[in-house]
Amino acid sequence: AQSVTQLGSHVSVSEGALVLLRCNYSSSVPPYLFWYVQYPNQGLQLLLKYTTGATLVKGINGFEAEFKKSETSFHLTKPSAHMSDAAEYFCAVTLDDKLIFGTGTRLQVFP
Amino acid sequence: DAGVTQSPTHLIKTRGQQVTLRCSPKSGHDTVSWYQQALGQGPQFIFQYYEEEERQRGNFPDRFSGHQFPNYSSELNVNALLLGDSALYLCASSLAWDRVGQPQHFGDGTRLSIL
Repeated sequence: AQSVTQLGSHVSVSEGALVLLRCNYSSSVPPYLFWYVQYPNQGLQLLLKYTTGATLVKGINGFEAEFKKSETSFHLTKPSAHMSDAAEYFCAVTLDDKLIFGTGTRLQVFP
Repeated sequence: DAGVTQSPTHLIKTRGQQVTLRCSPKSGHDTVSWYQQALGQGPQFIFQYYEEEERQRGNFPDRFSGHQFPNYSSELNVNALLLGDSALYLCASSLAWDRVGQPQHFGDGTRLSIL
């Protein structure tokens, strides 16, 4: 069965520092993987997705993620954090057309 | 182009009551999925509607039911509310023919509080 594990419920970085949010998946078939962001009192906004093809996926707001089948990982990165990146981030995998989410990682950005 | 809209934004109920939440999908989308997001958790799939029928269901009791209308909008009904039903309820829409691998679009949710 498909599942997602996000390592680290909280991540804190300084403004301008590298952001790395970790996601590992478990899937018996080639997965479709997503990263969503959730700002306070809002719904989920898609950052990026991996379906097939290029394993390095670029998303909105300067984020990117790399699909590594050998490591069953789909970590999210951003070279330089901005204060506006502070939010909750969710990794998700599709199972029979429904989304299975991880428990989320709260990103804090300090000036 | 209107995105996914949900109403109401906030709702307070007491135990044992019933509640109805509403969702209008993104323009052009025909499939609606509902998720429950408890505080500090990731969203959990409740069920999905397409062609006015429930197509998939997650691990939720029968107290949770839904409906989809001919205009693709949807309702989520919860009966006999429990304190544990307090959560953010998210609606997401997608296109049936292009569903696999395509992202679902989410509304801002309805915050349900049970007293």
